Amino acid sequence: AQKVTQAQTEISVVEKEDVTLDCVYETRDTTYYLFWYKQPPSGELVFLIRRNSFDEQNEISGRYSWNFQKSTSSFNFTITASQVVDSAVYFCAFSNSGGYQKVTFGTGTKLQVIP
Amino acid sequence: GAVVSQHPSWVICKSGTSVKIECRSLDFQATTMFWYRQFPKQSLMLMATSNEGSKATYEQGVEKDKFLINHASLTLSTLTVTSAHPEDSSFYICSAQDRGSYEQYFGPGTRLTVT
Repeated sequence: AQKVTQAQTEISVVEKEDVTLDCVYETRDTTYYLFWYKQPPSGELVFLIRRNSFDEQNEISGRYSWNFQKSTSSFNFTITASQVVDSAVYFCAFSNSGGYQKVTFGTGTKLQVIP
Repeated sequence: GAVVSQHPSWVICKSGTSVKIECRSLDFQATTMFWYRQFPKQSLMLMATSNEGSKATYEQGVEKDKFLINHASLTLSTLTVTSAHPEDSSFYICSAQDRGSYEQYFGPGTRLTVT
């Protein structure tokens, strides 16, 4: 069975600081997807990224960047120059790449950016 | 981008009554839809996989007679919480898997409160 671990339950940073959210996963699958979602207080999940297990290239999107390391089964997420609007719960997630792509979520990391 | 809607966005019902939640894919067809439940300050847990035209598959520990799922068309799945009790109060989120791309999109969620 798949497992996603987000060891950081809550993180507080001061605005403009950089912050990295850790994610470690466990699977026996050779092909899979990894995700990051943001969940603001409203509850709606905001999709941030989907990464195929074949693609270990790191990605940058504005202030967001992701570091995927298959060797350590990690998929970390960094926010550069954090802003108050980044305050939310962030979920790392995993899905198989087969027909029924069930998503397994980590326990989430609550990020608070203090002005 | 692909949009998934849920209706209602929130509902309050009395203990013992039934509540139906709709999940619609607005601009794509979804052979498969998933239902998740999220208790306060917890992660999302998969409840069941809904397949168009066939019976849903429930995760271990989820009562299929209590959570009735119907996936009558390629754009609509419904979750009915029967004989609701206060412990069923939760945030219910659906996702729809595009039958063409297999990408998955989440709905905005339905907040159920049982009094």
